[in-house]
Amino acid sequence: HSVLTQPPSVSGAPGQRVTISCTGSSSNIGANYGVHWYQQLPGTAPKLLIYADNNRPSGVPDRFSGSKSGTSASLAITGLQAEDEADYYCQSYDSSLSGSLPFGGGTKLTVL
Amino acid sequence: QVQLVESGGGLVKPGGSLRLSCAASGFTFSDYYMSWIRQAPGKGLECVSYITDSSTYANYADSVKGRFTISRDNAKRSLYLQMNSLRAEDTAVYYCALLRVSDWSYYFDYWGRGSQVTVSS
Repeated sequence: HSVLTQPPSVSGAPGQRVTISCTGSSSNIGANYGVHWYQQLPGTAPKLLIYADNNRPSGVPDRFSGSKSGTSASLAITGLQAEDEADYYCQSYDSSLSGSLPFGGGTKLTVL
Repeated sequence: QVQLVESGGGLVKPGGSLRLSCAASGFTFSDYYMSWIRQAPGKGLECVSYITDSSTYANYADSVKGRFTISRDNAKRSLYLQMNSLRAEDTAVYYCALLRVSDWSYYFDYWGRGSQVTVSS
């Protein structure tokens, strides 16, 4: 199992706001290492969605935002759209794992 | 624009070997760390290995340590993953990704489309 814990699934209706949590520990998120989020649409490669806690790469809508507090981080999606249905992964650095870069287990977002 | 194109995947028997390649374009390859990430069928993402820009350091997941070797050729703008002693649990799509590094952040900025590796008798 991963050192970063995500809920297996979340859901929301179009137009609603949903959040996805990513819980870590004092050796990763709590040590102030950046948290990054990826979106994987069905049948495609993952894409960087949020980097360094709360930064959006060019082209990512401002409906997507990230936050971090203590040993946890969250991805928020507002104005939910059908095309947001995807798997979402958080990722960070962990100082207790010899330089490895763990991912969370992933969260399946279903748009109702 | 950044392009990463993997090749070399396929079907291999348990105990066999395979070498993946990743051809990079659209950025100064020699300036960036690079990585391999895999995704087993129906599972999540796992960073298998990454390598520094000048090949001075490489990191491996415990699951592949001693069996896989990452390397790069900056002149050819190419990244490689030599996979030996393959096991059924190595079956996955393998992605090549550009790894951005700062003081407190390591993240995968661009990804290739992936290469399927299947280990089966």
